[in-house]
Amino acid sequence: GQQLNQSPQSMFIQEGEDVSMNCTSSSIFNTWLWYKQDPGEGPVLLIALYKAGELTSNGRLTAQFGITRKDSFLNISASIPSDVGIYFCAGQHRHYGGSQGNLIFGKGTKLSVKP
Amino acid sequence: GAGVSQTPSNKVTEKGKYVELRCDPISGHTALYWYRQSLGQGPEFLIYFQGTGAADDSGLPNDRFFAVRPEGSVSTLKIQRTERGDSAVYLCASSLEGGGTDTQYFGPGTRLTVL
Repeated sequence: GQQLNQSPQSMFIQEGEDVSMNCTSSSIFNTWLWYKQDPGEGPVLLIALYKAGELTSNGRLTAQFGITRKDSFLNISASIPSDVGIYFCAGQHRHYGGSQGNLIFGKGTKLSVKP
Repeated sequence: GAGVSQTPSNKVTEKGKYVELRCDPISGHTALYWYRQSLGQGPEFLIYFQGTGAADDSGLPNDRFFAVRPEGSVSTLKIQRTERGDSAVYLCASSLEGGGTDTQYFGPGTRLTVL
């Protein structure tokens, strides 16, 4: 099935550093989402973006919906050990009438923090 | 409140056997989704229910896969004649109405291993 291009695949960072990851697609999406998945758990929604150009923050997390609607990025500021996990971007189409389509995920960015 | 639950958490079966995976969505959620996540990949869409009916089953890989939601709440994903390639984590998600800004909440998944 279709998957988005997400980079980097993995990264090690020093606690306190800022992190940036991004996602690109060959097709346009109506919605971009960022999820975090911990081992043995399902993905948990971090940020949802619904309009091209939208910039949204959730605590230390900031994400933007690219103006072309084909890309998005996620920034994490001042990383802490509990930020460790796998981050997934997901794009979503919207059907005629407004109902949501299924999510199409990237392959994930594995974040490891050096204590 | 209770989130999405999935049973069993782990299932080991032999090639050729039949398996059933269960999903209990969040109470009151009318939309239910099944995804499959292979090792090192993002989740991939399988099927979407709106109420009792399958609104989109375009992600089911072949006719060995089938899912039901007879009363519009609990759903069962059924896999016939399992193959080693079916080994993956099967994730279930639910959302309130399947509307354009609904959040999909994921369960912890069922890890299926086909020997």
